[in-house]
Amino acid sequence: DAGVIQSPRHEVTEMGQEVTLRCKPISGHDYLFWYRQTMMRGLELLIYFNNNVPIDDSGMPEDRFSAKMPNASFSTLKIQPSEPRDSAVYFCASSLTRGGQDQPQHFGDGTRLSIL
Amino acid sequence: GNSVTQMEGPVTLSEEAFLTINCTYTATGYPSLFWYVQYPGEGLQLLLKATKADDKGSNKGFEATYRKETTSFHLEKGSVQVSDSAVYFCAEGLSGGYNKLIFGAGTRLAVHP
Repeated sequence: DAGVIQSPRHEVTEMGQEVTLRCKPISGHDYLFWYRQTMMRGLELLIYFNNNVPIDDSGMPEDRFSAKMPNASFSTLKIQPSEPRDSAVYFCASSLTRGGQDQPQHFGDGTRLSIL
Repeated sequence: GNSVTQMEGPVTLSEEAFLTINCTYTATGYPSLFWYVQYPGEGLQLLLKATKADDKGSNKGFEATYRKETTSFHLEKGSVQVSDSAVYFCAEGLSGGYNKLIFGAGTRLAVHP
């Protein structure tokens, strides 16, 4: 089975440019999560969706960050304008509701973002 | 708010040594508990889970027991290998099935031959 697919795997761009990260969740999963991982701050939850609807975006650091999920098989995380401090590895994860108990999240391989 | 506390790393062991990585959680009720592993350059992978008190999750020689009385979910392995070198994350689910997980800070394990 295909796992969570993220693209690109690596992105290097200059400060001020728009960055778009993409995620395809596992087919049939109804939750999608965006995380950011840095050495200083560890793993941070940015936003998550249920059935394509944003549930909690309190982790989004600034208005420069936005996320969308136009359909069940695609989500984007956009940074505009980008800044050097946005450099991090961004992960997408998905999970499936089952029986009212928390289910494991399945992670993609991440996008390593470097803002120069 | 809820939180998960893991022992700080790095943990450095020789091959075939016994491993324990401590994890405690704060969620009330009976949250599901998870251990994830992250190898260099990869995403987090589910290692094992437990969904109720006294459950033991196990996988690839790793084990963890859900201890409600001590709110703990310590990870153990009897004999580590060099290939187990990775970062290990403990996580709790927010009871109610929302699938949002609270992750610990991660513990880096380095195993030497």
